[in-house]
Amino acid sequence: DVKVTQSSRYLVKRTGEKVFLECVQDMDHENMFWYRQDPGLGLRLIYFSYDVKMKEKGDIPEGYSVSREKKERFSLILESASTNQTSMYLCASSSPGHGGGELFFGEGSRLTVL
Amino acid sequence: EDQVTQSPEALRLQEGESSSLNCSYTVSGLRGLFWYRQDPGKGPEFLFTLYSAGEEKEKERLKATLTKKESFLHITAPKPEDSATYLCAVRSNTGNQFYFGTGTSLTVIP
Repeated sequence: DVKVTQSSRYLVKRTGEKVFLECVQDMDHENMFWYRQDPGLGLRLIYFSYDVKMKEKGDIPEGYSVSREKKERFSLILESASTNQTSMYLCASSSPGHGGGELFFGEGSRLTVL
Repeated sequence: EDQVTQSPEALRLQEGESSSLNCSYTVSGLRGLFWYRQDPGKGPEFLFTLYSAGEEKEKERLKATLTKKESFLHITAPKPEDSATYLCAVRSNTGNQFYFGTGTSLTVIP
């Protein structure tokens, strides 16, 4: 089974702090994604990566950056956390050669910024 | 613009009362339509992929169908453990992005 592991389930940070969210997948998937999920807004794409060191902006990249130094690891960085970044963050991976290219998600990281 | 709309937003069913969830989509060339189940506080869990109109897939009490404009997730004789939010997503054949609906929150009452 595909496993996507997010490093922290729950985090509480203060405004202005730098925040790192780590994600690791074990299925050698080429594509990795970071979403945030908010009530009534659904899942919104922040960034995705289709290869090591490659990244593309999603719908809401402002205030975020990403890093993909190894194929299995995709990190989301909040350079200076703000209260409007309080949300559930979901990492996902997929592969064009795996089934229909469906996304496999981690358990999520619930971030609260005070 | 690629878009996904799910209805209803919330659905309450008695145990054993069958029903359907709707996912309407607009996409410039469908590469795949995906259904997910999400339990509170957890990440979405993959259920089905549908590729072309007329296709159907089943898993236990769930059956997903696809037309050129919408997909239905039929739930037959649901049980309380089927309570969850069901998400629909589409992927176009012109890019890597997935477009998600806002989900249907299903509650099955014993």
